[in-house]
Amino acid sequence: AQSVTQPDIHITVSEGASLELRCNYSYGATPYLFWYVQSPGQGLQLLLKYFSGDTLVQGIKGFEAEFKRSQSSFNLRKPSVHWSDAAEYFCAVDVTGGGNKLTFGTGTQLKVEL
Amino acid sequence: NAGVTQTPKFQVLKTGQSMTLQCAQDMNHNSMYWYRQDPGMGLRLIYYSASEGTTDKGEVPNGYNVSRLNKREFSLRLESAAPSQTSVYFCASSRDRTWDGYTFGSGTRLTVV
Repeated sequence: AQSVTQPDIHITVSEGASLELRCNYSYGATPYLFWYVQSPGQGLQLLLKYFSGDTLVQGIKGFEAEFKRSQSSFNLRKPSVHWSDAAEYFCAVDVTGGGNKLTFGTGTQLKVEL
Repeated sequence: NAGVTQTPKFQVLKTGQSMTLQCAQDMNHNSMYWYRQDPGMGLRLIYYSASEGTTDKGEVPNGYNVSRLNKREFSLRLESAAPSQTSVYFCASSRDRTWDGYTFGSGTRLTVV
């Protein structure tokens, strides 16, 4: 069965430091890949998405993600973290070829130290 | 503001009680979804509606029913609540498919005692 794994439950970084959140998927072909962010007490917001083309994709709020087929990974990065980036981040996959079933990872909680 | 509106925001039920969670979107989206979020488990799809008049089961449909009342509204019903249904419930919508990106409501925190 297809799945998406976020190995890090919690990550703490200092403000201004770089950030990388890991996401791995298990699926034979390339799925549709997404990153969503959830601020406390809120619903999720789409940061970026990938299906094909340039393997480095840019999203909102200064985030980017790189797709690596050889590693079945889609890691989220940000060069310099701001205190307002503290939130929970979810990687998600759609293996139905662009259907209606989005499967979410278990999330990574990001804490930013001032 | 345009978006997805969920009601209520908080609810406490006794085991065996029933209730309906309401969701409405004003973005003219075709697809709507219900997810539940539990600690350490991410979000799991309960039911979805790809278009008005259709509904399909997701990953965890047992104990729930849904109604796509019209294009704007998609409700989730718990007929006989159980403590295992204690969770945060999110409604979402998309223009059509996952690729369009989902817009989420702010959630309903449900506790079943």
